[in-house]
Amino acid sequence: GENVEQHPSTLSVQEGDSAVIKCTYSDSASNYFPWYKQELGKRPQLIIDIRSNVGEKKDQRIAVTLNKTAKHFSLHITETQPEDSAVYFCAARNSIKAAGNKLTFGGGTRVLVKP
Amino acid sequence: DSGVTQTPKHLITATGQRVTLRCSPRSGDLSVYWYQQSLDQGLQFLIQYYNGEERAKGNILERFSAQQFPDLHSELNLSSLELGDSALYFCASSLTGLANEKLFFGSGTQLSVL
Repeated sequence: GENVEQHPSTLSVQEGDSAVIKCTYSDSASNYFPWYKQELGKRPQLIIDIRSNVGEKKDQRIAVTLNKTAKHFSLHITETQPEDSAVYFCAARNSIKAAGNKLTFGGGTRVLVKP
Repeated sequence: DSGVTQTPKHLITATGQRVTLRCSPRSGDLSVYWYQQSLDQGLQFLIQYYNGEERAKGNILERFSAQQFPDLHSELNLSSLELGDSALYFCASSLTGLANEKLFFGSGTQLSVL
């Protein structure tokens, strides 16, 4: 089955700096890669996603890149703000209906933005 | 608000007991997923249903079971509870459960086994 590795597990950045989180996946059939932000005690919230036919996607201060050949994708947060502090999860989902198209999550990255 | 409703928000029980967690998907969504999140851990996939049928199974213990009813709400049953079952249990839903669909999560049920 799919295995998603996420690095780093913790990330501390100064306010205004950039943060980068990297993920690798194992299943070449995966074609959908969402990123979720989870604040303490809250539900994971989708912040951005990318599909396998796209190499990069941006939404204001957030961008995701995907390298299907290398099977890795990254989240970039620019001009970080204290409210960006949270745990971020990457995920991968395959296109094989028989497998249930389940979403497999990485282990999470705890991001702390210091004012 | 994601539109996915989970009840109860908190549940405190003792070892050996049995509990039921409930989830109502977003209006129109046919697929429901259950995830377990232990303290400082990631999201572990338990099981997925689509329109009442089991679609995929993850690392779900035999003591755990789930079902999706005709009105599309789902219940996760946890029996013979152990201390290690204490976790945040999330339900998520999507339109058909196919690839490329966004998953929307409920607020979770915090289970504490004492």
